[in-house]
Amino acid sequence: AQSVAQPEDQVNVAEGNPLTVKCTYSVSGNPYLFWYVQYPNRGLQFLLKYITGDNLVKGSYGFEAEFNKSQTSFHLKKPSALVSDSALYFCAVSPVAGANNLFFGTGTRLTVIP
Amino acid sequence: DTEVTQTPKHLVMGMTNKKSLKCEQHMGHRAMYWYKQKAKKPPELMFVYSYEKLSINESVPSRFSPECPNSSLLNLHLHALQPEDSALYLCASSLDVSDRQETQYFGPGTRLLVL
Repeated sequence: AQSVAQPEDQVNVAEGNPLTVKCTYSVSGNPYLFWYVQYPNRGLQFLLKYITGDNLVKGSYGFEAEFNKSQTSFHLKKPSALVSDSALYFCAVSPVAGANNLFFGTGTRLTVIP
Repeated sequence: DTEVTQTPKHLVMGMTNKKSLKCEQHMGHRAMYWYKQKAKKPPELMFVYSYEKLSINESVPSRFSPECPNSSLLNLHLHALQPEDSALYLCASSLDVSDRQETQYFGPGTRLLVL
């Protein structure tokens, strides 16, 4: 079985400060992990993914994520938050076997305070 | 271009109506997906099409009927829906359903309200 957990429903951060949105995974085998962002009344936009190789993955809009196998984590980070980063963020995992259907975490709402 | 388009953006329908949601992509992707998303919840997979054939049906009620007329189009036919079916319906596509490395690209969704 595979799953991801996002332990924080809500994260607040001041504009200009670094932000972190947490994700932990449970996968037997090598995980393929994804981050998506959803703005109000919109679909999901792909930010980045970890497949293999370098543990630090860089993605769109200045976001990056660090894959940590020992801690089974894939936290999303950005050095300096913008008000426009306020949105709902989903971590997802692709199954170890079978079709490419994503399993999503419950989501974390990020609010960047001006 | 990583665009998936969906029409309509909003849809209000009664429980006796028949309506269809449409999804289109021109990225050459051979896998297409329907997800349902309730408010403040993650998307839940409904259907997966691979090379225009239905490969996954996640025990979705028969009042939802998917159709893939060609490799670029995906429809979701709706009939006799219930108010609890009100949700955001998301379409996605990826290059290949069998390669779990492939990124799924999502459309903006259709917000459905069933009265």
